Amino acid sequence: DIQLTQSPSFLSASVGDRVTITCRASQDIRSHLAWYQQNPGKAPKVLIHAASSLQSGVPSRFSGSGSGTEFTLTISSLQPEDFATYYCQQLDSYPLAFGGGTKVEI
Amino acid sequence: QVQLVQSGGGVVQPGRSLRLSCATSGFIFNSFGIHWVRQAPGKGLEWVAVIWYDGSKKYYADSVKGRFTISRDDAKNTAYLQMNSLRVEDTAMYYCARDQRPGSGSYVVDYWGQGILVTVSS
Repeated sequence: DIQLTQSPSFLSASVGDRVTITCRASQDIRSHLAWYQQNPGKAPKVLIHAASSLQSGVPSRFSGSGSGTEFTLTISSLQPEDFATYYCQQLDSYPLAFGGGTKVEI
Repeated sequence: QVQLVQSGGGVVQPGRSLRLSCATSGFIFNSFGIHWVRQAPGKGLEWVAVIWYDGSKKYYADSVKGRFTISRDDAKNTAYLQMNSLRVEDTAMYYCARDQRPGSGSYVVDYWGQGILVTVSS
């Protein structure tokens, strides 16, 4: 099974900061990776699919990159509503798996 | 609009069974795969299972394989998760979610149910 490792697990940042989260896969997953944002008590929301494709309606300050085993999610200028937990998910093979999450705190 | 409404959660003793339902509306149900994802209290997301749009393929996480069964009733636009031999570690918020890509079961999920809590405790 494919394992995903996210880093860091926690991140302290300020409004306006550029933030980068990394997701590493235990084997090649090509570009079959998605990023989700989850706020407390809410269902996750997809931000990025196919590693770098911005989901419709998601602000352009979010971007994704990478392929193979290393991927990044970048928030170019952190906004107050971006303080949340972020997860990557591999969609290359079953069982589909999520990374452990990155909590972005003020 | 697309809606997924979940029911069937609750408190159950270890070893017992529970069936979750995910009633959908606002889209052509038999064109989309349905996933189940869970989240233990204070923990991260765990993918549980998927059923393809036509029911032809079903896949499970190792942690639930052999105990949980995913199914769908296209006449009722509803997906189900039958959970047998429940364990304390199955305690979690369970979400159903729609696969974004028609005719698939292996893509991102774009619409989610409200979540339903399952507590396994003696």
